Parts: sequence; C-alpha cells; structure tokens
Amino acid sequence: AQTVTQSQPEMSVQEAETVTLSCTYDTSESNYYLFWYKQPPSRQMILVIRQEAYKQQNATENRFSVNFQKAAKSFSLKISDSQLGDTAMYFCAFMKHYSGNTGKLIFGQGTTLQVKP
Amino acid sequence: GAGVSQSPSNKVTEKGKDVELRCDPISGHTALYWYRQSLGQGLEFLIYFQGNSAPDKSGLPSDRFSAERTGGSVSTLTIQRTQQEDSAVYLCASSLDGTGRVGNQPQHFGDGTRLSIL
Repeated sequence: AQTVTQSQPEMSVQEAETVTLSCTYDTSESNYYLFWYKQPPSRQMILVIRQEAYKQQNATENRFSVNFQKAAKSFSLKISDSQLGDTAMYFCAFMKHYSGNTGKLIFGQGTTLQVKP
Repeated sequence: GAGVSQSPSNKVTEKGKDVELRCDPISGHTALYWYRQSLGQGLEFLIYFQGNSAPDKSGLPSDRFSAERTGGSVSTLTIQRTQQEDSAVYLCASSLDGTGRVGNQPQHFGDGTRLSIL
C-alpha cells in the first residue's frame, strides 16, 4: 500500500520570502504521479503542481516548484515570493500510473501554511 | 465553465438519521470520486466511478455508506444510521478520465459538504 507523510503540521513565512514544505511517500510502484494541492478556508481543493515520476525534470508553475528525489521518495514544494493569498492548508498526494489505476489520490495529513504580512 | 457542484454546503442532523449528499460533476467528466476529510486530517478516498464500469468501493468505511451515479453524471452519497464519527467534510471530485488511458487527468474538486452529527 502507498502512504504519504507530511511531517510539518504548521509552518509560517513572512510575505515575499521563500518557504519549503516537505513530503515523503512510500510505494513499490516504479511509475506514478505526485501532486500538491492547496486548500484555503473556502474548502475547495486547488491543484498547485504535479510531477510525473518518470520525468527527471522538476515541475515548476510560476512561484511554485518542486524538488523531486525519486530514490529518496521525497517531493517537497517550494513557494517563492510568498503572498498573503498563499495562506492555506497544503496537501501532498500520490496516484499510481495506469496499470489497473483507479485514479484515486492518496493524501498526506497536510501542512497549514500561514503567510505573515 | 461551471465547476463541481456539491449540495448541501452544510448539513446538521441527529445521530441515527440517514443523509444524502449530492455531487454534480463538470460536464463531460467520466470519472467521479468521493473523499472524506475529518477535522484536521487529510482526505480519505471513499469511492470512484468511471463511466459505466462497476465502481471502486474499496474506501467505503462501512456498509452504512453507499453511493450511486445516475446516467453517468450526478452522484449521491448516502450514509444510513449516521454516527458521530461520520462528522466530516465530504468532498467530491471529477476528472475527464480516471483510467490513465488518455494520460493523467487532474481531479477538480467541489467545495464539499460539511456534515455534523449531533
């Protein structure tokens, strides 16, 4: 079975600074997808960034980038130039690649990020 | 376009009552998922529908939980004889295709239903 672990329940960062959220996972699969989702107080889960395990290059979306270390099973999220609107709970998630894939996401426990003015 | 719509937004009910939660996915999305988020926790997979295939019910926590998807569109999650531990936010998501045959398709989430059992 796959598991996802986020070891930082809460973090804070000053506006305009950079913060890194940690995520580790456990799987015997060789190919899979990893995601970071953001959940603001409005409750809606918003996809921030995704990474395909067979791609060596780290994914980047504007101010958001990941550090994907496949051997270490680590998938951290870096937020640059933090903004007040980045305040939210962040979830790391895993999905098996298609091979009897049901498409379900396996989530970590989440990290609450507070961006301070 | 319209996103995933869930209703009601909030539901308060007494222990032992049955509840129905509704999800209206994005038009054209063949895959639909239900997740449960307990207070301060991550999301827990409940059930997955893909087109007309038999659903993956492997995440349903007990036989009090059931779900159906009519006409490949709207889905209803039913909890019978509710218990206090059922209190949570129930989130629905949809994607173009959940099989991976057309590549990974991101899941789009609704705002959820907050269920409170008294």
